[in-house]
Amino acid sequence: DVKVTQSSRYLVKRTGEKVFLECVQDMDHENMFWYRQDPGLGLRLIYFSYDVKMKEKGDIPEGYSVSREKKERFSLILESASTNQTSMYLCASTTYNEQFFGPGTRLTVL
Amino acid sequence: QKEVEQNSGPLSVPEGAIASLNCTYSDRGSQSFFWYRQYSGKSPELIMSIYSNGDKEDGRFTAQLNKASQYVSLLIRDSQPSDSATYLCAVLNTGGFKTIFGAGTRLFVKA
Repeated sequence: DVKVTQSSRYLVKRTGEKVFLECVQDMDHENMFWYRQDPGLGLRLIYFSYDVKMKEKGDIPEGYSVSREKKERFSLILESASTNQTSMYLCASTTYNEQFFGPGTRLTVL
Repeated sequence: QKEVEQNSGPLSVPEGAIASLNCTYSDRGSQSFFWYRQYSGKSPELIMSIYSNGDKEDGRFTAQLNKASQYVSLLIRDSQPSDSATYLCAVLNTGGFKTIFGAGTRLFVKA
């Protein structure tokens, strides 16, 4: 079975802090994604990567950056956390079609 | 217009009934369509995929696709309380890299 893990299930940070969210997949997938999920807005794509050191902006990249130094690891960085970045963050790894999701990180920015 | 639209619900059906979930999409070039189920506090999991017009059945689930109408649906027969969840419609965009998700429909199955 594909396994996608995320570094934290719950995280509380203060405004202005730099936040790192990490995602690791064990199935050698080339494509990885970061989403945020908010009530009524569904899943919104922040960034995705289709290869090591490659990254593409999604629909809402502002305030975020990513890093993919190894194929199995895709990190999301909040350079200076703000309260409007309080959300559920989901990482996904994909074959050509199906997306396999990690358990999610619920981030609260105070 | 949103790229993938779903009725947010909640949709409430009695146990044993058929639940019908609907979705429309805007990208005419899309070729791959998915239904994900998300339980409260959990991450989405794929339950159905469909790529050609018509019906695709898997157990109690049937996905229906009409590309001319840009319409996808999911039928759940003999609904069970354990089917209570949010169902996300998802469409792989024409470029093949991005999956666009609808906001989801909340389904409640009453025992």
